[in-house]
Amino acid sequence: SQQGEEDPQALSIQEGENATMNCSYKTSINNLQWYRQNSGRGLVHLILIRSNEREKHSGRLRVTLDTSKKSSSLLITASRAADTASYFCATTPQGGKLIFGQGTELSVKP
Amino acid sequence: DAGVIQSPRHEVTEMGQEVTLRCKPISGHDYLFWYRQTMMRGLELLIYFNNNVPIDDSGMPEDRFSAKMPNASFSTLKIQPSEPRDSAVYFCASSPGDRGMNTEAFFGQGTRLTVV
Repeated sequence: SQQGEEDPQALSIQEGENATMNCSYKTSINNLQWYRQNSGRGLVHLILIRSNEREKHSGRLRVTLDTSKKSSSLLITASRAADTASYFCATTPQGGKLIFGQGTELSVKP
Repeated sequence: DAGVIQSPRHEVTEMGQEVTLRCKPISGHDYLFWYRQTMMRGLELLIYFNNNVPIDDSGMPEDRFSAKMPNASFSTLKIQPSEPRDSAVYFCASSPGDRGMNTEAFFGQGTRLTVV
């Protein structure tokens, strides 16, 4: 069964706007990761946040983690058409297991 | 390193045939994962290995599916006999691990399987 659920399922914005995607999960975790998938390609790791961290930045990406609410958000600032892709959160509930959510399909229109 | 290498990239087979998917993980990575991706079910974890040992195969759909990792540089996922509902993209991924936990996972390009 899926551990994470992303919200929204699909998001369409204009270039230059910010995009926010949310992820909720069910069990306690060691870390939470965000990945990106371009159509027809494998997933690419974006950022990892550990369970004892609350916020992390990488370039135009900002990730927050609220373990009390079992939720995380990914913010992409100043979006570009090239950011168009599917975005997935993945959790590590125990040991090495890595479970993905259903993903958010982001479309950035030029 | 060339990254995670999967073969074949595309496979079309007839129902009832045996299918073998192959994966070469990144050298030095402790974890290897097999996933299946479909529109209906998303990205499902089938099985994962730690240091060549299968740790959790609870995602393997049924006995027709089997996976092996005979050494640190090679893994196979076998479907026998294949059925049309097995049609999907199968991904292999590897992760270096850190004190018993996985970290960043690196994905192969996937094998698109079509069973007719």
